[in-house]
Amino acid sequence: EPEVTQTPSHQVTQMGQEVILRCVPISNHLYFYWYRQILGQKVEFLVSFYNNEISEKSEIFDDQFSVERPDGSNFTLKIRSTKLEDSAMYFCASKQTGALHDTQYFGPGTRLTVL
Amino acid sequence: AQKITQTQPGMFVQEKEAVTLDCTYDTSDPSYGLFWYKQPSSGEMIFLIYQGSYDQQNATEGRYSLNFQKARKSANLVISASQLGDSAMYFCAMREGNPGTASKLTFGTGTRLQVTL
Repeated sequence: EPEVTQTPSHQVTQMGQEVILRCVPISNHLYFYWYRQILGQKVEFLVSFYNNEISEKSEIFDDQFSVERPDGSNFTLKIRSTKLEDSAMYFCASKQTGALHDTQYFGPGTRLTVL
Repeated sequence: AQKITQTQPGMFVQEKEAVTLDCTYDTSDPSYGLFWYKQPSSGEMIFLIYQGSYDQQNATEGRYSLNFQKARKSANLVISASQLGDSAMYFCAMREGNPGTASKLTFGTGTRLQVTL
């Protein structure tokens, strides 16, 4: 069964460094999302992406964040200058188009630790 | 106001028993969808079940069913015949607006379920 994959599974970085989190959505899905979950807290929406542009972004998704679909399969989240409070699990999700296929399928997550 | 409220931070259930996890929601949009996800200790988010606001019948998926009470704005998850592998965090989530759009999910704070022998 097709699934969303994410790399790396765990990333440790120093404050102020740039990180790129990578996702490969399910192949026939056209909506892509990033969420994050700070340890012990609920899952929070960051950004949605469709047709090569951002559809919606949350107030968390400030100028330090960017997303890109560099080719036909990858979807990336870049954090330009990481802060301690960026430490969290980052989930990528994808969804088909069409009202009958409304479920977002999540990847296994990337645990980001900022030191 | 919280859009998704899960009032049970933790629940215990004995193996083979049924358990209900509560979820209430708040939206003024007539079109919305409600989802339940399971998060085991390994961390991944596993989709369990979906209920659309216009669906006439309660959703069921194997041992999972969704008790959808639209007037009360509740969408409780019922797990029948609990198994040890059901021990996990369970999140209720809502999509506001029409299905098949880029609409985000808004999550509740989750309920940690522990299945005991």
